[in-house]
Amino acid sequence: AQSVTQPDIHITVSEGASLELRCNYSYGATPYLFWYVQSPGQGLQLLLKYFSGDTLVQGIKGFEAEFKRSQSSFNLRKPSVHWSDAAEYFCAVGADRKTSYDKVIFGPGTSLSVIP
Amino acid sequence: GAVVSQHPSRVICKSGTSVKIECRSLDFQATTMFWYRQFPKQSLMLMATSNEGSKATYEQGVEKDKFLINHASLTLSTLTVTSAHPEDSSFYICSASNQGRGAGGYTFGSGTRLTVV
Repeated sequence: AQSVTQPDIHITVSEGASLELRCNYSYGATPYLFWYVQSPGQGLQLLLKYFSGDTLVQGIKGFEAEFKRSQSSFNLRKPSVHWSDAAEYFCAVGADRKTSYDKVIFGPGTSLSVIP
Repeated sequence: GAVVSQHPSRVICKSGTSVKIECRSLDFQATTMFWYRQFPKQSLMLMATSNEGSKATYEQGVEKDKFLINHASLTLSTLTVTSAHPEDSSFYICSASNQGRGAGGYTFGSGTRLTVV
């Protein structure tokens, strides 16, 4: 079964600074990888996803992520953080070859705070 | 784009009563929907996979008799929390895919905040 870890529980960055959120996954084959963002009390919004092709994926709101098979990682990056980016970020992995559908499993999440 | 509607967004119920949460795919058909549960400041935990026309598949540790799932049509799945207790208070979120297996196109509902008093 697949699993995903996010080593950083909480990160604080200054507005305008660059950001990198780490994500590592465990799966026997190439999984489908996602990054979601959740604002307090809200549902989830998909930032980007990877399932094949170019390992550098561009998403919404200026985010990008790079799939590195050798490191089993899918880190999320943004060159310049805005105060509105403060939220909870979840990395997720999907795929279960034993079933006819993809089951998406979420990491523990990283809480991002932005200092003005 | 694909839209998943979840209703109600918030519900308060008395201990011992049952609550039904609906998850609808508005502009696409979803043979498979997923139900997640999220406790405050925690991640989403997959509870079960809802399959249209067949029984749901529950994750280990989830009581299927307590969390009843019905997927009667290609656009509607319901989660009923039976005999709710305060410990069932949580944020419940559903998701569905409109792009078929492998495309990873999952859309999430906006969630239901359940409070059992």
